[in-house]
Parts: sequence; C-alpha cells; structure tokens
Amino acid sequence: QQQVKQSPQSLIVQKGGISIINCAYENTAFDYFPWYQQFPGKGPALLIAIRPDVSEKKEGRFTISFNKSAKQFSLHIMDSQPGDSATYFCAASIIGTASKLTFGTGTRLQVTL
Amino acid sequence: NAGVMQNPRHLVRRRGQEARLRCSPMKGHSHVYWYRQLPEEGLKFMVYLQKENIIDESGMPKERFSAEFPKEGPSILRIQQVVRGDSAAYFCASSPDTEAFFGQGTRLTVV
Repeated sequence: QQQVKQSPQSLIVQKGGISIINCAYENTAFDYFPWYQQFPGKGPALLIAIRPDVSEKKEGRFTISFNKSAKQFSLHIMDSQPGDSATYFCAASIIGTASKLTFGTGTRLQVTL
Repeated sequence: NAGVMQNPRHLVRRRGQEARLRCSPMKGHSHVYWYRQLPEEGLKFMVYLQKENIIDESGMPKERFSAEFPKEGPSILRIQQVVRGDSAAYFCASSPDTEAFFGQGTRLTVV
C-alpha cells in the first residue's frame, strides 16, 4: 500500500494556539517524511522534513513528531499566526527516490484573530 | 537563482485539443518530476525524468499523456485529445538529490 492518510481535512485555530496535523503511512519502506505548505494559487513549499532515525525535529515554530512503530507522524505549529493559514500536506518517499513523493490529501488550516 | 519555472500559468483547451505544459528546472538540477493535483486533493506523482531519459512513469495514464526532458530546453508534459477529467493543476518539481522544489503550476481547464 502506498497511501498516506492525513487528518483532519480542515482545522480552525485561534491566533497563538497550537495547530496539530496527523499523518499515517503503510509502506514501511518509506524513510523520508516532508511537510509542505501551499498557499492558494501557488506551488507547495517544503516546510520541514524528518528521517526515521529521529523521533522529533524542530525548526522555529514547526515541529515534526515521528512514531516509527505506529507508522505515524505529525506536524505541530506552535503560536499559530494568521499568516500560517494555508493548506498543509504531509508526504513520504524512499531515499534514493526522495522526490517521488506520496502525498496526503491535505489539511486546510485557518488561523483566526 | 530563479526557481522552477512553469508556463503557461493558466491554459484553457477545448475537448479534443492538445495541451503542452512546460517546466524549466532550477539551475543545476537534473531531475524533474511532474505531479497532478485535482481540486481539493493532494498531489499525485506522474513521471520522473532526467535529461533525455524517463526514469519512472508509473503514475502516468497509459494513453494520451507523454513527457520528455530533452538535452536542451524545458521539460514538456503533453496531453493529447484532452477531456474534462484532465482539468487540474499540474506541478513540476526539480531536485538536485533529496529536496523537491516545486513550480507554481499550470492550471489546465478543459471546456
């Protein structure tokens, strides 16, 4: 199975709150897990990525948590801001073909004032 | 260093016409990937090319779709005899090795 399942489909968070998006995968050969941010009319932009040899990676307000045994990973956006309002996609691939990505279905995040 | 350049940004075609989408990768990148995004869905891998070679076309529909990345010039995704179901955003990504850099996409509308 090549699917990556993403939830929730949409999310509304107040400014300053924590946004949490979850993904689950089935293919145990996946070993590269990036998150992309997409604004309307734009292409996806890499936000942060993790390899399965670590359980957490933090870059600024963005953190990926990775649970290899559960085959799950999540994106946490701390102190969410209105400018974070966008669609977020998790993805997975196999190192060596790292840009052949299997994407989740996306989460539309809205950060309200 | 310019990003991945795609053109046109918007393309309208009547059913049965041909659509040609172009992608110029970032300077120094020799790997090009094409993805399709249907409304309210994630991106789906279509094809992976290196200069003059198709490496993986496992996501390409068997008919009407073709892709090339010639020695000189941009990569081309060609859709022959378009149908309404081909309406989507088509994204190109280039990569030096691991990280994929996406263009802004071509939004194809078939009327």
